[in-house]
Amino acid sequence: DTGVSQDPRHKITKRGQNVTFRCDPISEHNRLYWYRQTLGQGPEFLTYFQNEAQLEKSRLLSDRFSAERPKGSFSTLEIQRTEQGDSAMYLCASSRPSLADYEQYFGPGTRLTVT
Amino acid sequence: KQEVTQIPAALSVPEGENLVLNCSFTDSAIYNLQWFRQDPGKGLTSLLLIQSSQREQTSGRLNASLDKSSGRSTLYIAASQPGDSATYLCAVYPDKLIFGTGTRLQVFP
Repeated sequence: DTGVSQDPRHKITKRGQNVTFRCDPISEHNRLYWYRQTLGQGPEFLTYFQNEAQLEKSRLLSDRFSAERPKGSFSTLEIQRTEQGDSAMYLCASSRPSLADYEQYFGPGTRLTVT
Repeated sequence: KQEVTQIPAALSVPEGENLVLNCSFTDSAIYNLQWFRQDPGKGLTSLLLIQSSQREQTSGRLNASLDKSSGRSTLYIAASQPGDSATYLCAVYPDKLIFGTGTRLQVFP
C-alpha cells in the first residue's frame, strides 16, 4: 500500500493555458475524490467517482474543469483556459466505503500557480 | 446545507499546555467526523476518525470527542509540543467531506 500519489506536485502556468493533474489512488479503493484548497481556507469538494462513474460534481466545477477516471483506477483533472483565481492546492483522496469505514486517504496535493 | 465552523481560528501557546480545539456542524445527520493536521504547503494527515456510533477516539496525546445531538466535536491535545504547530481541520462525512476553515496552532518553546 503506497498511499495516494499526485503528479505534478507543483505547477506554474500562464493565464489562458490548459493544465492537467493526475491522481493515483490506493489500489482497491473504488472511490476517488477531488478537492480544492485556497490559502487560509479548508478544502472544498469538487467531484468524486465510484469506479469510473462520476457521481457528483460541485457547482465550483465550472465548465472549464473536467475530471475523468477512465478505467476506474487513476484520475485526471483538467483545467482549460486557466485564470488567476484557479491558483490553489488541488487535493485528491480515495476510499473504499464499507459499513465500518468511510475514511478518505489524501495525497500530497498539486499546487497550481497561475501567473 | 451542512456548514462546519472551527473555533478559535488561531491559537498561540507555550509548550506543555493542554489544548482544546472546537468544531461545530449544523446538520447532525453525519456518518463520521475526521480530524486532520496540515503543515504549511503540505497535504492532509489524518489524525482521528470518529464513527457516528462512537463518542470519542484517542491516539497518543490526542483525544477527539463527538456529540452529534449538539453538533460539536472537540480535539484535545495534551502536553503540547512545538512539533504540534500546524493547522488542524475537522471534516464531516455524508459521502464527501465538508471541512471547517481550520485552527492554526503555534506552540512556542
